[in-house]
Amino acid sequence: KQEVTQIPAALSVPEGENLVLNCSFTDSAIYNLQWFRQDPGKGLTSLLLIQSSQREQTSGRLNASLDKSSGRSTLYIAASQPGDSATYLCAVRRLSTGANSKLTFGKGITLSVRP
Amino acid sequence: GAGVSQSPRYKVTKRGQDVALRCDPISGHVSLYWYRQALGQGPEFLTYFNYEAQQDKSGLPNDRFSAERPEGSISTLTIQRTEQRDSAMYRCASALWDLTEAFFGQGTRLTVV
Repeated sequence: KQEVTQIPAALSVPEGENLVLNCSFTDSAIYNLQWFRQDPGKGLTSLLLIQSSQREQTSGRLNASLDKSSGRSTLYIAASQPGDSATYLCAVRRLSTGANSKLTFGKGITLSVRP
Repeated sequence: GAGVSQSPRYKVTKRGQDVALRCDPISGHVSLYWYRQALGQGPEFLTYFNYEAQQDKSGLPNDRFSAERPEGSISTLTIQRTEQRDSAMYRCASALWDLTEAFFGQGTRLTVV
C-alpha cells in the first residue's frame, strides 16, 4: 500500500526566504506526482504535475523535483511571499495495470510566510 | 464550465437522513473522482469514473455510500442514513482523461448532527 509522508507538518519562514518542502512515498512504482496548494475554505489548486519519466518541472517561482528511485519529491519556492502561506500537499499515482487512476495524498505541510 | 463545481458548498443534516452531493466537472473531462478529507488530513480516495463507468469504488467506506455518473458528466455522491462520522469535506476532481492532471472543486462541507 502506497504511503505518502510530508514532514514537517508546519513551517514558518520570513518573507524572501527560499524554501524546500519535502514529500516521500513508499512505493517507487509511480505514474506521476502532483503538488497542490490548499487555502482555508477553498479547494485544492494544482501547482505542478511531474511524470515519472521527468526529473523536474517549473512554474514561475516554483520548482518541483522527483527522484523516483529514492521515493522523494521536493517543491522549491523561491523568494517566498506572505501570499504563499497555505497548505501544500503532494499526491502520487501508482503505476500498475487495471484501474489505477487514484491519487494518494500526504497530510500536507502548512506554510506560514511572515512579512 | 470554467472549473469543477460542487453543490451545495455546505450541508448540515440530521443523523439518519440521506444526502446527495453534486459534482459538475470541467467540460470535456472524461475522468471524475470523489475524495473525502478530514481536518488536518490529506484527501482520501472514494471512487472514480471514466465517462459513466465506475472504474474503482474501493475507497467507499461501506454500502451506505454510492456514486453515479449516468450521462458521463455530472456525478452524484449519495450517503444514506448519515452518521456523525460521515462529517467531513467531500471533494470532487476531474481530469481530461485517466492519469492526467486532476483539478479539484471547492468541496462540500458535510456536517451530520
